[in-house]
Amino acid sequence: DAGVIQSPRHEVTEMGQEVTLRCKPISGHDYLFWYRQTMMRGLELLIYFNNNVPIDDSGMPEDRFSAKMPNASFSTLKIQPSEPRDSAVYFCASCERGPYGELFFGEGSRLTVL
Amino acid sequence: AQSVTQPDIHITVSEGASLELRCNYSYGATPYLFWYVQSPGQGLQLLLKYFSGDTLVQGIKGFEAEFKRSQSSFNLRKPSVHWSDAAEYFCAALFSGGYNKLIFGAGTRLAVHP
Repeated sequence: DAGVIQSPRHEVTEMGQEVTLRCKPISGHDYLFWYRQTMMRGLELLIYFNNNVPIDDSGMPEDRFSAKMPNASFSTLKIQPSEPRDSAVYFCASCERGPYGELFFGEGSRLTVL
Repeated sequence: AQSVTQPDIHITVSEGASLELRCNYSYGATPYLFWYVQSPGQGLQLLLKYFSGDTLVQGIKGFEAEFKRSQSSFNLRKPSVHWSDAAEYFCAALFSGGYNKLIFGAGTRLAVHP
């Protein structure tokens, strides 16, 4: 398997623009997590899905952020409108039966909002 | 509040020297404990995990960690560091009732001198 695939790897956009980050989890994994990594706040869990259903979105910063998982092989994280403080590396991770096992991370999407 | 603390932000060791990275978790029921490593520009990779049983756990790349309940600690060790071990190391915990929310420490960045 190719592992967790994220796109784009790098995104530079201007404040106010819509940003969509994409994730393809490992086939057969039931859980998908979106994390954000910044120098100031470290790794924060934004939202996670189980069997394509959002289970906990309490980490989503505000209504400008939304995430979907229309099927088992694809998820998106959307920011609309984007702001400079959204600049971060966004990671997608998946695992088979909850994080009791191993979380497999993608390489991340580095977002810069000017 | 449930938290994971890594007291050392940066550590520098010489190649061949021993290494110990510290991790403490907030008191209470013993959580599931993990160590992840992040190489530059990459996602996180699981090194090892502790759920119960033997308090000394072995992981990949020659790493081990020891769980000490009395100290609420789960320190990572390696007898002899290689230059390729230079990376950022994250301790993480899954607390009872945490509903699959893996809580990460702030990370320790390891530099290795030749």
